[in-house]
Amino acid sequence: EIVMTQSPATLSVSPGERATLSCRASQSVSSNLAWYQQKPGQAPRLLIYGASTRATGIPARFSGSGSGTEFTLTISSLQSEDFAVYYCQQYNNWPTFGQGTKVEIK
Amino acid sequence: EVQLVESGGGLVQPGGSLRLSCAASGFTFSSYEMNWVRQAPGKGLEWVSYISSSGSTIYYADSVKGRFTISRDNAKNSLYLQMNSLRAEDTAVYYCARDAYHPDYWGQGTLVTVSS
Repeated sequence: EIVMTQSPATLSVSPGERATLSCRASQSVSSNLAWYQQKPGQAPRLLIYGASTRATGIPARFSGSGSGTEFTLTISSLQSEDFAVYYCQQYNNWPTFGQGTKVEIK
Repeated sequence: EVQLVESGGGLVQPGGSLRLSCAASGFTFSSYEMNWVRQAPGKGLEWVSYISSSGSTIYYADSVKGRFTISRDNAKNSLYLQMNSLRAEDTAVYYCARDAYHPDYWGQGTLVTVSS
């Protein structure tokens, strides 16, 4: 099983600031990496797939980068609706998720 | 509008069984691979099972293999998860999710609680 490790566990950011979330895979997953946003009581929402392709309807302030074992999700200017938990997920093998990064208001 | 609506969750004793359903609408269900993904209370996400569009290919997480059975009825636009020999660690919200690899639509989830 490929283990996905996200950092930090919690990120405190002020509205309008930039947020950078990291995800590391225990072995290479090529570009088979997705990012999701989840708010309390809601289902996950697909943000990014293929490491860097935004899903339909996702604002341009969300961007993804990386390949192999190191990946980054960047939110360029945090809006109030962006405070949530973010998960990375690899689909190179049996899909596995990271443990999540909570983005909270500073 | 794509909709996925899960049902069938509830409280069940350890060793018991439950059948979850997912009703799909707003898209051609028979053309899409489907999945079940679960989330224990306050925890992260775990992929449970996958089924191809025709139902001919099925995969399970090791944690549920031999106990859970995924199936679909394309005529009824429905996805199912038969869960047997339930354990406390199966307690979670179960989501059905459309498409392989990186699901783009998810249901609202149904809570399964395994407890005596």
